Amino acid sequence: KNEVEQSPQNLTAQEGEFITINCSYSVGISALHWLQQHPGGGIVSLFMLSSGKKKHGRLIATINIQEKHSSLHITASHPRDSAVYICAVNSGGGADGLTFGKGTHLIIQP
Amino acid sequence: DTEVTQTPKHLVMGMTNKKSLKCEQHMGHRAMYWYKQKAKKPPELMFVYSYEKLSINESVPSRFSPECPNSSLLNLHLHALQPEDSALYLCASSQEWGGEQFFGPGTRLTVL
Repeated sequence: KNEVEQSPQNLTAQEGEFITINCSYSVGISALHWLQQHPGGGIVSLFMLSSGKKKHGRLIATINIQEKHSSLHITASHPRDSAVYICAVNSGGGADGLTFGKGTHLIIQP
Repeated sequence: DTEVTQTPKHLVMGMTNKKSLKCEQHMGHRAMYWYKQKAKKPPELMFVYSYEKLSINESVPSRFSPECPNSSLLNLHLHALQPEDSALYLCASSQEWGGEQFFGPGTRLTVL
C-alpha cells in the first residue's frame, strides 16, 4: 500500500508570503492530486498531475516522478487561502480510490 | 451541472436505526466513491463503484451497505451502527477510473 507523507503538518504565515507544501509517496503512482478542504468539510480538487508542472492562478503544483515527490506552491498568499491542503495518490491498476496524506493545516494571517 | 450533491447534510441516528445517505451527480461520471473522514484525519476510502458495479470494498463492516441504482446515484445504507461510526461521509465521482475526483459537501453522521 502506498504511504503518503506531507510536510509541514501545520504552517502559519503572513499575508503575501510564498508558501510551499511538500508531499512524498512510497510506491509508483498513476496520478497525484492536491485537494483543499475548508472548515465545514467541503473538499475541492486543485490539481491532478502525473508529470511536470501545472499552474492555476496563484497556485502551482509540480511533481518529480523519479524522486516520488510533489510540491504545492501558493504565491502572494491571502487569508482566504487558509485551509487544509491534502495530497492524495492513485496507485493505478484500475478503479482505485485515493490514498491520502494527513494534510497540511495552513493559516495565513493578515 | 458540475457538482456532486449529498443528502442529508446532517444525520443523527440511534444504534438500532436504519438510515440511508444519498449522493447524486449529473456530470456523466462513471466512477463513484464513498469515503469516511473522522475529525482531524484524512478521508479513508470505503467503496468504489465503476460503471455501476462495485469495484472496491475496503474491508468495510457489513453494517454499511452501498448501492448504485443507476449511473447518477449512489446510496449508502446504514444499519446497527456504532458510536465510533460517527464521522463525515464524503461522496465523490470521476469521469473514469482514477480520474480527477469531484467531492460532495458530505453528510455529518452522529450515532448515539
